Amino acid sequence: AQSVTQLDSQVPVFEEAPVELRCNYSSSVSVYLFWYVQYPNQGLQLLLKYLSGSTLVKGINGFEAEFNKSQTSFHLRKPSVHISDTAEYFCAVSNNYGQNFVFGPGTRLSVLP
Amino acid sequence: DGGITQSPKYLFRKEGQNVTLSCEQNLNHDAMYWYRQDPGQGLRLIYYSQIVNDFQKGDIAEGYSVSREKKESFPLTVTSAQKNPTAFYLCASTPGAWAGELFFGEGSRLTVL
Repeated sequence: AQSVTQLDSQVPVFEEAPVELRCNYSSSVSVYLFWYVQYPNQGLQLLLKYLSGSTLVKGINGFEAEFNKSQTSFHLRKPSVHISDTAEYFCAVSNNYGQNFVFGPGTRLSVLP
Repeated sequence: DGGITQSPKYLFRKEGQNVTLSCEQNLNHDAMYWYRQDPGQGLRLIYYSQIVNDFQKGDIAEGYSVSREKKESFPLTVTSAQKNPTAFYLCASTPGAWAGELFFGEGSRLTVL
């Protein structure tokens, strides 16, 4: 069985500061990894995904994430956040057939002026 | 533009009433999913369907029912047997055999009074 842990339920950060949202997973098989963003009362939008290849993945809106197999982590980073980045962020894992998605509990990012 | 349409966006019902949430996609995706979202709990899978006229229970199927009579439609009925139906419901889809990422609708918020 797979599971996903997001260590921080809330992350406040000032505008233009860097941010890292942490994600760890456990799985007995190879996985695909995803980060999704959700704005209030909306669906989830894909930020980026790791399927194979380079462990540093770049996504939309200036976000990037690094897959670390030895630490079973897939932390999300942005060097300089904007007010518009305020949202909830979900880390997710699937098996390497792209099935059996499991989501973490989410991290609420609040960007302060 | 292709996408997933959920309706209604907001729904209020009295306790004991069945409610049906609509999900329609024009992405020509084979697989469709229903998730329930509660604060701080991430997304939990209710039902999924990988092909027309076939569907499987997810982790929290009790008190819910679905049908898949057409490829583009996957309605969810929240029955009176669901003990705590107030939640945000998300419909999603994936292309097929190699599922890849989930594509989400905008969600439906159900409040039971």
